[in-house]
Amino acid sequence: DQQVKQNSPSLSVQEGRISILNCDYTNSMFDYFLWYKKYPAEGPTFLISISSIKDKNEDGRFTVFLNKSAKHLSLHIVPSQPGDSAVYFCAAIGDTGNQFYFGTGTSLTVIP
Amino acid sequence: ETGVTQTPRHLVMGMTNKKSLKCEQHLGHNAMYWYKQSAKKPLELMFVYNFKEQTENNSVPSRFSPECPNSSHLFLHLHTLQPEDSALYLCASSQDLILAGRNYRGETQYFGPGTRLLVL
Repeated sequence: DQQVKQNSPSLSVQEGRISILNCDYTNSMFDYFLWYKKYPAEGPTFLISISSIKDKNEDGRFTVFLNKSAKHLSLHIVPSQPGDSAVYFCAAIGDTGNQFYFGTGTSLTVIP
Repeated sequence: ETGVTQTPRHLVMGMTNKKSLKCEQHLGHNAMYWYKQSAKKPLELMFVYNFKEQTENNSVPSRFSPECPNSSHLFLHLHTLQPEDSALYLCASSQDLILAGRNYRGETQYFGPGTRLLVL
């Protein structure tokens, strides 16, 4: 059973507008969340993270919001640029084991 | 060369073949990982190595056999695979082992580009 879910497989946004990528999780024991970005023919690269003791973390154009009561996090990209077009994965650090739990990814297309 | 490299990038094999995937990291990391990504499914962790010792085997069938001769190299030996094993196989490394829950210290994983495997 998937513990981290990204229910939108794809998203298209106009250049300059905000992109909002969503992620839901089922395990309330998750303490740390990460977002990865993946271009075609490349491996995922780390983008931004957030600890469960925070509800927001910002890094330049990228902001991650965490709503623990709803078990929901989102990644906001403002303003969106064509170079942001990629697949975005959210991941959570588990309460057991030595691994991240990944979502299935959301493919973002930023239209010039 | 820097980062995490994987060879080959693409592989087509028959069900009776034996092949190996290679991963090499030039980052001085101590932990290495094999992931499988099938279409429309999340990345599935297969194996974890820390200082060359295997720490995790997530119920992976024995037709997949990992080998970690040193902290910089990781292999995945494949034999008698099934068509459903066709997937993207990603290698990753991290400075230290990712610890669970509140022991997590903020490590991130660095991924290779993956090997696209097709089993016929």
